Amino acid sequence: GAVVSQHPSRVICKSGTSVKIECRSLDFQATTMFWYRQFPKQSLMLMATSNEGSKATYEQGVEKDKFLINHASLTLSTLTVTSAHPEDSSFYICSARDPRSRGGTEAFFGQGTRLTVV
Amino acid sequence: AQTVTQSQPEMSVQEAETVTLSCTYDTSENNYYLFWYKQPPSRQMILVIRQEAYKQQNATENRFSVNFQKAAKSFSLKISDSQLGDTAMYFCAFMKRNNNNDMRFGAGTRLTVKP
Repeated sequence: GAVVSQHPSRVICKSGTSVKIECRSLDFQATTMFWYRQFPKQSLMLMATSNEGSKATYEQGVEKDKFLINHASLTLSTLTVTSAHPEDSSFYICSARDPRSRGGTEAFFGQGTRLTVV
Repeated sequence: AQTVTQSQPEMSVQEAETVTLSCTYDTSENNYYLFWYKQPPSRQMILVIRQEAYKQQNATENRFSVNFQKAAKSFSLKISDSQLGDTAMYFCAFMKRNNNNDMRFGAGTRLTVKP
């Protein structure tokens, strides 16, 4: 099946620095990718929809200047957490849908990135 | 807006027994998809089963089946012959029938299969 790869799987950064997380679709092209955030023992909350070649669409309450999303190619979306603070520590997951699979309705998820800001 | 509700934060079942996880949702849409995802300790999201709202027949995948009640907006997951490897978080999810629409998740149910 289709594979979505997310990197890094874990990252620790100092408060005030920026961290970039990559999400790649390995064997299909994804015009749209989705970024989720998951706090411990909680559900996945949609942060933003990443659109290839255009601006991302952010959910209400998500700071677009803090969580920069770039979808420069059909196989890569990046999420940059700028000026990270300890409260940004969380598990971040991306997903994409393979247009070849079930009419593009089947979502594939990356392995997730555990971000710890110290 | 669509909301997905899972009212059981935690469930447990004996190995080889059957367990049912509940999910309800709210939408004004007529065409949509419903999913159950499993998230084991590795945190990798794994698709368990999916249901297309326009299909009346309940989806089945081996030991996993759903009871889809469209009028009641209910979508429960039944796991038969539970196995230790079924221990995980289970999320119910909703997606409108449009390729660019995002997926909305319930709060999750932590299932523990006991030996």
